[in-house]
Amino acid sequence: GNSVTQMEGPVTLSEEAFLTINCTYTATGYPSLFWYVQYPGEGLQLLLKATKADDKGSNKGFEATYRKETTSFHLEKGSVQVSDSAVYFCALSDQRNTDKLIFGTGTRLQVFP
Amino acid sequence: NAGVTQTPKFQVLKTGQSMTLQCAQDMNHNSMYWYRQDPGMGLRLIYYSASEGTTDKGEVPNGYNVSRLNKREFSLRLESAAPSQTSVYFCASSRTSNQPQHFGDGTRLSIL
Repeated sequence: GNSVTQMEGPVTLSEEAFLTINCTYTATGYPSLFWYVQYPGEGLQLLLKATKADDKGSNKGFEATYRKETTSFHLEKGSVQVSDSAVYFCALSDQRNTDKLIFGTGTRLQVFP
Repeated sequence: NAGVTQTPKFQVLKTGQSMTLQCAQDMNHNSMYWYRQDPGMGLRLIYYSASEGTTDKGEVPNGYNVSRLNKREFSLRLESAAPSQTSVYFCASSRTSNQPQHFGDGTRLSIL
């Protein structure tokens, strides 16, 4: 079945460091791919999305490119801030059943001054 | 801009007690969802409602029931709570089933 695999955390970085959080997926067809962010004590918020191969989603300095050849959707940011500390979830929507989002297990990012 | 509102935010139950978690959205969304979040397991879908009047099972429906009361409200009921249902529960909604989901702030439920 469809699945999403994320790198385990926590990822610990100093402010202004470069961030990569790896995400790979298994799916039939052409799923849409998402990154959600969860700040402490809050629900998930959509960070960015991509709906077809080679699309690049971007928001708040974060980027991710839909790579069908490597079945990946890695999240990157050139210079992280303390305020980026959160849990990041990669997710896909099943093309055949778009009612359902399948989430990865989440990666905690901790950014220190 | 309330978005998705969940009540209560925290609850402690004893094994065997029943409880209903409430969720309401004010964005005129058609689809609504209930998830549980457990450490190391991400979010798992319990039930969803693609439109008013319909509900479907997700990945982990056992021990739960849902009601789509109207377009705005989607409740989750635990008839006989078990310690394995200790979790953080999130409600979400989306305009249609293939649109991004908007999440509430969660209900932290502990069952002793």
